[in-house]
Amino acid sequence: SQKIEQNSEALNIQEGKTATLTCNYTNYSPAYLQWYRQDPGRGPVFLLLIRENEKEKRKERLKVTFDTTLKQSLFHITASQPADSATYLCAEQNTGFQKLVFGTGTRLLVSP
Amino acid sequence: DAGVTQSPTHLIKTRGQQVTLRCSPKSGHDTVSWYQQALGQGPQFIFQYYEEEERQRGNFPDRFSGHQFPNYSSELNVNALLLGDSALYLCASSSTETWPYEQYFGPGTRLTVT
Repeated sequence: SQKIEQNSEALNIQEGKTATLTCNYTNYSPAYLQWYRQDPGRGPVFLLLIRENEKEKRKERLKVTFDTTLKQSLFHITASQPADSATYLCAEQNTGFQKLVFGTGTRLLVSP
Repeated sequence: DAGVTQSPTHLIKTRGQQVTLRCSPKSGHDTVSWYQQALGQGPQFIFQYYEEEERQRGNFPDRFSGHQFPNYSSELNVNALLLGDSALYLCASSSTETWPYEQYFGPGTRLTVT
């Protein structure tokens, strides 16, 4: 079955730098990859979605890439701020129904 | 416009008991999915309801059951609670009219089984 893998170690960066988070999948290429932000004790919040046939998607300071050869998606936050500190979840979604398969998430800590 | 709401916020139950969690989807959404999130893990899909029927199910035992009402709200029932059922239960809603299906999550219900 499909596995979504994210680095379980926290990522610590300094304010103003670019944070890059990695999401790898193991089997088939998903139709869509979605990225969510989750704060402690809260539900995930949708950030970006990228389709299988798209290489890159941007939204304000956020950028997502999708490399089907490497079976990988990268999530970038440019000019990071302490308010960006949270856990970021990657999820795959295929055509048909709407079920999401999530990775374990990567915690990002941005220090001033 | 209210987003996804869930009740209760927190719940403490004893092993062997039964629990019902409730979810109201975002206005205009017709599909409700339930996820279980253990501490330090990503959400795990339990099942999804559309048109009052279970449309897809994850790898969860029959102790987990659900229901969707005509107003699209939903309930998650868990019978014969185990200590391992302690988790954050998330409800997510989406619309079949907006492909691909971005999902809106509620704040979750924190269930503790003692």
